[in-house]
Amino acid sequence: DIQLAQSPSLLSASVGDRVTITCRASQGISSFLAWYQQKPGKAPKLLIYATSILQTGVPSRFSGSKSGTEFTLTISSLQPEDFATYYCQQLHSYPRTFGQGTKLEI
Amino acid sequence: EVRLAQSGAEVKKPGESLKISCQGSGYTFTGRWIGWVRQKSGEGLEWMGIIHPSDSATKYSPSFQGQVTLSVDRSINTAYLEWGRLRASDTAVYYCARTDAYGNFDFWGQGTLVNVSS
Repeated sequence: DIQLAQSPSLLSASVGDRVTITCRASQGISSFLAWYQQKPGKAPKLLIYATSILQTGVPSRFSGSKSGTEFTLTISSLQPEDFATYYCQQLHSYPRTFGQGTKLEI
Repeated sequence: EVRLAQSGAEVKKPGESLKISCQGSGYTFTGRWIGWVRQKSGEGLEWMGIIHPSDSATKYSPSFQGQVTLSVDRSINTAYLEWGRLRASDTAVYYCARTDAYGNFDFWGQGTLVNVSS
């Protein structure tokens, strides 16, 4: 299985901050990586797919990029509704594993 | 509007069987894979497997292969996740989700809580 290591596991930030979450794959996955946002008690929501394509309706303050096997989710200016847990997922091979999650808190 | 409606919470004893459901609406049910994701309390997301409603083709995670069974009933646009013998370690919230054309989970059900306790 492909392993995805997210860092940090916990990120403290403030409204207006620019934050970056990293997801490192254990092997090459091309650009087959997605990011999801999950709020407490709710189902995850697809934010970004294919490394950098924003899902319809997702604010432009979210962006994704990659460098080798390291992928990055950036939120340019945190809004109150962005405090949640974020997961990456690889779609290169089965099983389609998730990272362990990054909790973004105030 | 695409919607995935999951069955309600379940309380079961170890060793019992269980089948939970996920009914799709607002799109062509046989056109997209349906996947299942486990989330234990306070933990992350675990990809369990996917099934294609058109022909019931499946892909299981090795971690769940043999432990659960995925199935569909095309006549009622419903996917199922089934256990033959539950264990306490199966206690979790289970989400179903539809894949988009790239395999991403673009629409999710509300989740089904399964509590297995003696």
